[in-house]
Amino acid sequence: AQSVTQPDIHITVSEGASLELRCNYSYGATPYLFWYVQSPGQGLQLLLKYFSGDTLVQGIKGFEAEFKRSQSSFNLRKPSVHWSDAAEYFCAVSDSNYQLIWGAGTKLIIKP
Amino acid sequence: SAVISQKPSRDICQRGTSLTIQCQVDSQVTMMFWYRQQPGQSLTLIATANQGSEATYESGFVIDKFPISRPNLTFSTLTVSNMSPEDSSIYLCSVGRQAVTSREQFFGPGTRLTVL
Repeated sequence: AQSVTQPDIHITVSEGASLELRCNYSYGATPYLFWYVQSPGQGLQLLLKYFSGDTLVQGIKGFEAEFKRSQSSFNLRKPSVHWSDAAEYFCAVSDSNYQLIWGAGTKLIIKP
Repeated sequence: SAVISQKPSRDICQRGTSLTIQCQVDSQVTMMFWYRQQPGQSLTLIATANQGSEATYESGFVIDKFPISRPNLTFSTLTVSNMSPEDSSIYLCSVGRQAVTSREQFFGPGTRLTVL
């Protein structure tokens, strides 16, 4: 069955430190992968997506993600986090019906 | 991307009543979806809103409880009927294009519902 796993429920990092959020997927065909961010009290914003081509994709707000087929992973990274990055981050994969299968989310907490 | 608005942004309702949530998109879109996000949880798909026909509901969601309309390619409504406190959630609409190279969805700001 198709699934998305975000193994970290919470992650705490210091402002200015680097960040990596993990995402593993289970999908039989070529995956369409996404990262979304949900700031407190707001809707979801698309950070970046992977469809094909270069396995390192750049997104908005200085985020990037790397697709690794051998590890079934699509981890999100940022070299230096800002306090405004505190939010919930969701990884998702699109199925054959154009529906999104969601991970449980990772809450990012920024220490001053 | 599309600009999506939802009304109301939040509401507090009494149990047993119904609330209709509106979703308006600034351009014609193929696919519209309705999600529920319970407190501290991820998103759960309620249904796909189909233009001119009945919505397609996911397991665990039924039309009597969550009737959906989609009269055209830019507008949809979701009604939460006979509400109970367990229906307290954020309800989100999203849109997508049925394209091979474009499967992302764009989301409205959500409707935060509290049922007393």
